[in-house]
Amino acid sequence: GAVVSQHPSRVICKSGTSVKIECRSLDFQATTMFWYRQFPKKSLMLMATSNEGSKATYEQGVEKDKFLINHASLTLSTLTVTSAHPEDSSFYICSARRHPEAFFGQGTRLTVV
Amino acid sequence: KQEVTQIPAALSVPEGENLVLNCSFTDSAIYNLQWFRQDPGKGLTSLLLIQSSQREQTSGRLNASLDKSSGRSTLYIAASQPGDSATYLCAVRRNKLIFGTGTLLAVQP
Repeated sequence: GAVVSQHPSRVICKSGTSVKIECRSLDFQATTMFWYRQFPKKSLMLMATSNEGSKATYEQGVEKDKFLINHASLTLSTLTVTSAHPEDSSFYICSARRHPEAFFGQGTRLTVV
Repeated sequence: KQEVTQIPAALSVPEGENLVLNCSFTDSAIYNLQWFRQDPGKGLTSLLLIQSSQREQTSGRLNASLDKSSGRSTLYIAASQPGDSATYLCAVRRNKLIFGTGTLLAVQP
């Protein structure tokens, strides 16, 4: 199956700093990628849709200035959590679709201390 | 607004049992439905995808069915094994992929 690689798998950062998470489609091109957030023992919540070469589309309630998304190429999307707070600590997962199936990265566990 | 619910929320069975996980959705206007497996602290692994025009899909010991008109899907796992222990998520897609609440499965050796 298609492979989506997410890096890093774990990151710990201090409050107020920024963290970048990368999502790559390894064996296919993805014009659209998706970023999800998962709270403990909860399901996945779509944060935003990343579009190659254009601005991301954010879901209601997600702060676009806090969660910066860049989709600079057909195989790479990045999510930057800016000015991180402890409440941003969560599990972040990216996804890319190779029609009709969605494939997911391994996830990134972010801990803000 | 599409809502996806999975029942039961948690399930514990002895090894070897056949089991059924349920997924229901409120809006039947979907393109497809996908079942995933998630191990603790990991990403999602795609198990089966059913297109809206299909009734079921099979892969090994897994069989997923779809009744779009009633807004239901089931995932059947035959001869369960301890390695099947994980959280199982269903998701329906129209413009976006909307996830269910998940079923935490524990298969006891």
